[in-house]
Amino acid sequence: QTVVTQEPSFSVSPGGTVTLTCGLSSGSVSTSYYPSWNQQTPGQAPRTLIYSTNTRSSGVPDRFSGSILGNKAALTITGAQADDESDYYCVLYMGSGISVFGGGTKLSVL
Amino acid sequence: QVQLVESGGGVVQPGRSLRLSCAASGFTFSSYGMHWVRQAPGKGLEWVAVMSYDGSNKYYADSVKGRFTISRDNSKNTLYLQMNSLRAEDTAVYYCAKMAYYYDSSGYSGMDVWGQGTTVTVSS
Repeated sequence: QTVVTQEPSFSVSPGGTVTLTCGLSSGSVSTSYYPSWNQQTPGQAPRTLIYSTNTRSSGVPDRFSGSILGNKAALTITGAQADDESDYYCVLYMGSGISVFGGGTKLSVL
Repeated sequence: QVQLVESGGGVVQPGRSLRLSCAASGFTFSSYGMHWVRQAPGKGLEWVAVMSYDGSNKYYADSVKGRFTISRDNSKNTLYLQMNSLRAEDTAVYYCAKMAYYYDSSGYSGMDVWGQGTTVTVSS
C-alpha cells in the first residue's frame, strides 16, 4: 500500500520562506495526482490553500504557492507570518476515486 | 457565501449505527461532488468517502468499505453518511468537503471548502 509522506515538522523564521513537500513511499508525485494542500490550526476545521497542484483557493494570499519539485509536490510559503503556524496536510488523488492524505507537517514560526 | 454544516454526531455504542448530514448552501450543490473526511483525536486527516455530483459514483476508503454508505439528496442540498457496525476506531470529527471542480465525477480535484465538523464517539 502506497503511503503519502510529509515532513513531520518544520520551522521557519518570521518573514522567511519555507517549502513543505509531499511524496510517495513508492514512485513520484506528478500533476496526475492533483496534489492539494490544506491548513489546519488546532481546534479548527481544515482550510484548503491549494488544489490541482498550483491553484489557490478563493481568498488565499499569493504567499502560498504549489508546485512539483523533483518527484514530490511542494507547498512554498514566502514571507512567513506568525499565523502561518499550523498543521499542513497534502492529499493526493490515487485514481479509481481514492484520495489519500499525508500524515501532516507541523510548521512552527519562530 | 459557500457554507457546509454537518450534524448528526454523538456518542454511540460499538456495533450501532449513526447517520451524519451535511447541509450545503451558497453554491449549486447538484453540480459538485462531495467528500467525507475524518480526524481521530490527536491524529491526522483521513479520507473516508466521495460521491459524484449526481450520485452515480461513490468510492470508499478500505477502513469503512462495507460499513459506511455515502448518499445525497440534491433536492435538499444535503449529503449523508450512514455509518453501520461502528467501532471504537471510528471515533473522530467528521468533515464534509466540497470538490474543487464542478462535474468532477471521481474527486480528483480535491476539496476547496470544508464544514466545521461533527464529532462521533464510539464507546460502551
